Amino acid sequence: DIQMTQSPSSLSASVGDRVTITCRASQSISRHLNWYQQKPGKAPKLLIYAASSLQSGVPSRFSGSGSGTDFTLTISSLQPEDFATYYCQQSYSNPTFGQGTRLEIK
Amino acid sequence: QITLKESGPTLVKPTQTLTLTCTFSGFSLSTNGVGVGWIRQPPGKALEWLALIYWDDDKRYSPSLKSRLTITKDTSKNQVVLTMTNMDPVDTATYYCAHRNWDQLLNWFDPWGQGTLVTVSS
Repeated sequence: DIQMTQSPSSLSASVGDRVTITCRASQSISRHLNWYQQKPGKAPKLLIYAASSLQSGVPSRFSGSGSGTDFTLTISSLQPEDFATYYCQQSYSNPTFGQGTRLEIK
Repeated sequence: QITLKESGPTLVKPTQTLTLTCTFSGFSLSTNGVGVGWIRQPPGKALEWLALIYWDDDKRYSPSLKSRLTITKDTSKNQVVLTMTNMDPVDTATYYCAHRNWDQLLNWFDPWGQGTLVTVSS
């Protein structure tokens, strides 16, 4: 299995901050990387697919980058509704998820 | 609009077999490239992929759970069924099904069902 490691595991930030979450794959996965947002008690929601493609309806303050083994999710200016847990997922082989990054209000 | 909904027991006893059904609308599992996956999430923990079934009946399983899982589809009913044998309290989790979308060789899960919480306890 391809292992996905996210950092940090948790993050405190303020409204308006720029935030970056990192995801590293245990082997090269090209651009086969997706990002999801999950709020408490809700199903995950797709934000970014294929490393950098913004899912329809997702605000443009979200962006993704990277290829190979290192990827980032950036939120350019945090909004109150962005406080949630974020997961990366590789789709290069059998799917695996990162352990999640919990984004909390400072 | 694509929707999915999971159904099944909320409580199972240790050693029992769990059967979950994902009923979907807005797409057909007979369309080239389409798939449906199952993912679970223990309380307070991360997401874990379990199984995936494709339009051509190809099936993939998590290596760590492969011996306990079976995924099937009923295209006429727009349903995908997951069975997990020999349930244990550590299998307590919210179980999600999700539509596998794709573009060329790239793929992702979208959308997801609302999830169903399954508790394993005697």
